[in-house]
Amino acid sequence: NAGVMQNPRHLVRRRGQEARLRCSPMKGHSHVYWYRQLPEEGLKFMVYLQKENIIDESGMPKERFSAEFPKEGPSILRIQQVVRGDSAAYFCASSPIGERGNEQFFGPGTRLTVL
Amino acid sequence: TQLLEQSPQFLSIQEGENLTVYCNSSSVFSSLQWYRQEPGEGPVLLVTVVTGGEVKKLKRLTFQFGDARKDSSLHITAAQPGDTGLYLCAGASSERYSTLTFGKGTMLLVSP
Repeated sequence: NAGVMQNPRHLVRRRGQEARLRCSPMKGHSHVYWYRQLPEEGLKFMVYLQKENIIDESGMPKERFSAEFPKEGPSILRIQQVVRGDSAAYFCASSPIGERGNEQFFGPGTRLTVL
Repeated sequence: TQLLEQSPQFLSIQEGENLTVYCNSSSVFSSLQWYRQEPGEGPVLLVTVVTGGEVKKLKRLTFQFGDARKDSSLHITAAQPGDTGLYLCAGASSERYSTLTFGKGTMLLVSP
């Protein structure tokens, strides 16, 4: 059973460009979470999605950031008009159900560098 | 806002030593998970504790969840260089879905 897959592993963008990060959850998992990890700050929750639904986006910046999890295909985290402060490691996690206390399994992350 | 404080932030020990790292909060969590993260990789789930007072063992690692479900500890016996990594605790709130609140982690370095 393949784990959570993320691509690309590394992404370099210039200021003002768009960044698209992809996440394929583990087989049988229909719940996806995105987290951002900044040096010295730890992992911060951004958004929680189920197929075709955003359940909680309370951790997502209001502007430039969006996420989707279509019926078919991977979940996408999209950052428009990137700025240097967006440089971070972005992790996706998946879980089979959304009940409290459920375990989340993380992908290897996408390291975004904004020049 | 729920916060998880981990201590110590950094720990450097020799192979064979024992150690304990802590995860504390003023909030109650429905469950708490421990992860280990190596440089350039994602967090890997080690254990989930759910019941107050629960103790789980994973080879040389012993995890305990506080009676009030606000804190947890990880004890490693006879540490090995392969234990080196960033240890993260994460709490699932008592809400209906399980977004995780992470501590900043304890960076463990075990030297041969």
